[in-house]
Amino acid sequence: EAGVAQSPRYKIIEKRQSVAFWCNPISGHATLYWYQQILGQGPKLLIQFQNNGVVDDSQLPKDRFSAERLKGVDSTLKIQPAKLEDSAVYLCASSLQGPVEAFFGQGTRLTVV
Amino acid sequence: QQPVQSPQAVILREGEDAVINCSSSKALYSVHWYRQKHGEAPIFLMILLKGGEQKGHDKISASFNEKKQQSSLYLTASQLSYSGTYFCGTGVGNEKLTFGTGTRLTIIP
Repeated sequence: EAGVAQSPRYKIIEKRQSVAFWCNPISGHATLYWYQQILGQGPKLLIQFQNNGVVDDSQLPKDRFSAERLKGVDSTLKIQPAKLEDSAVYLCASSLQGPVEAFFGQGTRLTVV
Repeated sequence: QQPVQSPQAVILREGEDAVINCSSSKALYSVHWYRQKHGEAPIFLMILLKGGEQKGHDKISASFNEKKQQSSLYLTASQLSYSGTYFCGTGVGNEKLTFGTGTRLTIIP
């Protein structure tokens, strides 16, 4: 079974620039999560989708971050404009519906300079 | 609100036991445990549902006390491969999966 695919793996941008991350979840997984993990900290939930609807985005900085899940499958997370404090690893995870195992992608390491 | 884990870090010799605790200020529906090695994605260990169950596989087990809104992860006879950062994830209501503060475990030979 193919895992969660994320791209790019690494990205370096200057502050105030824009960046987008892509995630392809495991086939059939209704739930998709985006997490931000700053070095030395636990993953922080940014947004959770159930199919193509948003379940929770309470910690998403909506003035600069946006996310969408097209047709309930792939998802993109965008930052515009980026700030230095956005430097982190952005993890995408997916799961079947309900309290079950979440599978994580390898993440995108973003460095904002 | 983020669950709180304790201890923040622990160093063990191979073969020793460890307990990692996870506490939440909210009523929990489920508790998930993950391990993350440096530079890698978190890997699922187990999930416990409300009902006070205990689970385990190999030498890693966990308990869930829903009344106290706490879970504990037990690692017995630790192996070098157990090194990493352990996160509890708590599911509340709509199953939003929120991760704890993390516990860094180092196993030395």
